[in-house]
Amino acid sequence: AQTVTQSQPEMSVQEAETVTLSCTYDTSESDYYLFWYKQPPSRQMILVIRQEAYKQQNATENRFSVNFQKAAKSFSLKISDSQLGDAAMYFCAYRSPNTGNQFYFGTGTSLTVIP
Amino acid sequence: DAGVIQSPRHEVTEMGQEVTLRCKPISGHDYLFWYRQTMMRGLELLIYFNNNVPIDDSGMPEDRFSAKMPNASFSTLKIQPSEPRDSAVYFCASSLTSGGPQETQYFGPGTRLLVL
Repeated sequence: AQTVTQSQPEMSVQEAETVTLSCTYDTSESDYYLFWYKQPPSRQMILVIRQEAYKQQNATENRFSVNFQKAAKSFSLKISDSQLGDAAMYFCAYRSPNTGNQFYFGTGTSLTVIP
Repeated sequence: DAGVIQSPRHEVTEMGQEVTLRCKPISGHDYLFWYRQTMMRGLELLIYFNNNVPIDDSGMPEDRFSAKMPNASFSTLKIQPSEPRDSAVYFCASSLTSGGPQETQYFGPGTRLLVL
């Protein structure tokens, strides 16, 4: 099974500043998909952004962008102009076409936004 | 669309009792997943279904846990008998493969289970 590693259990950022959350994964496959989910205190899991491995261009969604380094098997999430509402647990996830629709999740990074 | 619906949202029960968690996936979705989330173990995949058929139940902790999907719009996760270590948030998620290989999973709001 693929493994997804988030080495930062906790991170903090000043409001309006930029923060980067790290994610690495282990795979021997060349075709796969990567996702970042946000889980606020409400516990709802919300998709933030996704990236197809065959695309060289990094995905962006408003203030959220990724730095996808395929050779390094790295998929970091950058949050620009951080807002109080960004405070949440963030999960990195991997999906392979070869394992049906199964997702592999990291252990999460808890982000605190300081006013 | 109403999204993935889970019930109950909160459940408090005593050790030894049977617990049944319910899930209604998004209409038309052909995959359904059950996850368990705890502080100690994070987010764990318990079992998932494709077209109502269980595909992988290797994550089911033990025989006390069982899951069914009698039709495309309903699934249950049952714990019998329940134990305090089963206390966790249980999530149901669904997805649509025909939406493309990049299709994501959509999560329900979760059921917070406390076994006393």
